[in-house]
Amino acid sequence: DSGVTQTPKHLITATGQRVTLRCSPRSGDLSVYWYQQSLDQGLQFLIQYYNGEERAKGNILERFSAQQFPDLHSELNLSSLELGDSALYFCASSGGDGTYEQYFGPGTRLTVT
Amino acid sequence: GENVEQHPSTLSVQEGDSAVIKCTYSDSASNYFPWYKQELGKGPQLIIDIRSNVGEKKDQRIAVTLNKTAKHFSLHITETQPEDSAVYFCAPMGGYQKVTFGTGTKLQVIP
Repeated sequence: DSGVTQTPKHLITATGQRVTLRCSPRSGDLSVYWYQQSLDQGLQFLIQYYNGEERAKGNILERFSAQQFPDLHSELNLSSLELGDSALYFCASSGGDGTYEQYFGPGTRLTVT
Repeated sequence: GENVEQHPSTLSVQEGDSAVIKCTYSDSASNYFPWYKQELGKGPQLIIDIRSNVGEKKDQRIAVTLNKTAKHFSLHITETQPEDSAVYFCAPMGGYQKVTFGTGTKLQVIP
């Protein structure tokens, strides 16, 4: 158990809908990363937050957005969903500045029908 | 952006043999070099990492070696066991903490 929690575990929704994925980092970690992993694919970095502020941006679509709240949990919002958005979404946390080790949550499996 | 290549993409070894996976990167600013193991249905797990000021690091049966001049680092697993079967990813990180994961290596250890 990494100490990172993600909810929900599974999510099934229709095209055009909007969903919110939630992540709680390990106790004391300030940084949260979001990743997308499609079937049999590698991990695509989406976005990173550090202590509430956006720190780095990867291949995140404009239909996707994220934020980190004062209690350090983070949410990833996916809107106007398409079939191709079906994937595993992972969040990871790390301590913060100068600490790069990432600890991954169990993931949320999103299925868009 | 960072170009990360990982080889081989699949690797089958007999139990007890060694396995080596290589990761090549392009960003000379990269200064942190981790390896992650992902088992089926689970999130990746950090298994070993190395910083740019160190050439080699070992943790029991696992080691990582870094060649900063040639921009590559490798994962070495000795005395492989069936529970080592998984997908392994490298993920070099640069100064801005933007992360690029390698394409993964599926390791199968045959009992």
